[in-house]
Amino acid sequence: GAVVSQHPSWVICKSGTSVKIECRSLDFQATTMFWYRQFPKQSLMLMATSNEGSKATYEQGVEKDKFLINHASLTLSTLTVTSAHPEDSSFYICSSGRDPPKNIQYFGAGTRLSVL
Amino acid sequence: EDQVTQSPEALRLQEGESSSLNCSYTVSGLRGLFWYRQDPGKGPEFLFTLYSAGEEKEKERLKATLTKKESFLHITAPKPEDSATYLCAVQANSGYALNFGKGTSLLVTP
Repeated sequence: GAVVSQHPSWVICKSGTSVKIECRSLDFQATTMFWYRQFPKQSLMLMATSNEGSKATYEQGVEKDKFLINHASLTLSTLTVTSAHPEDSSFYICSSGRDPPKNIQYFGAGTRLSVL
Repeated sequence: EDQVTQSPEALRLQEGESSSLNCSYTVSGLRGLFWYRQDPGKGPEFLFTLYSAGEEKEKERLKATLTKKESFLHITAPKPEDSATYLCAVQANSGYALNFGKGTSLLVTP
């Protein structure tokens, strides 16, 4: 299967600071990437769709000014959690699909964010 | 609104004891139904995609089936290494994002 790399795997930060998470497609070009969030014992919830060369599309209830997404190239999307607070502590996971078949989504290993 | 419901929430099996996991779904125009395996602290690992009712796919001890309302993941003679959370997700014709169920946590004991 396709390979999606996510970095870092774990980050601890102080409240009020910003954290950047990278998602790379290693062996294919990804015009679209997805960002999900997963709380303990819960399933993955879609946060936003990252589109190469254009603005991201955010799901209802997700603050676009808090979760900044940049998809500047066909292999890299970044999610920046700005002014992080303890309630932002979660497991963040990205996915992308090789084209074709674009619909099969491959996931990164995830980033565990802990905000103190 | 698309909905995915998985049952049971948790399942404990003895090694070799076959069973099935259920995924009930409603979606406006199904592009595909997906099964993933997720180990603790890891991202989901792709297992199967099913596209139409009646379709079946197999991989080692796993077999996935699909009807118009639900999908089953059958596990035959499971081993301890099959212990994980199994996630079901639907993809609508309107896009490529996935709508996930809450998963079934499977524990296989020796």
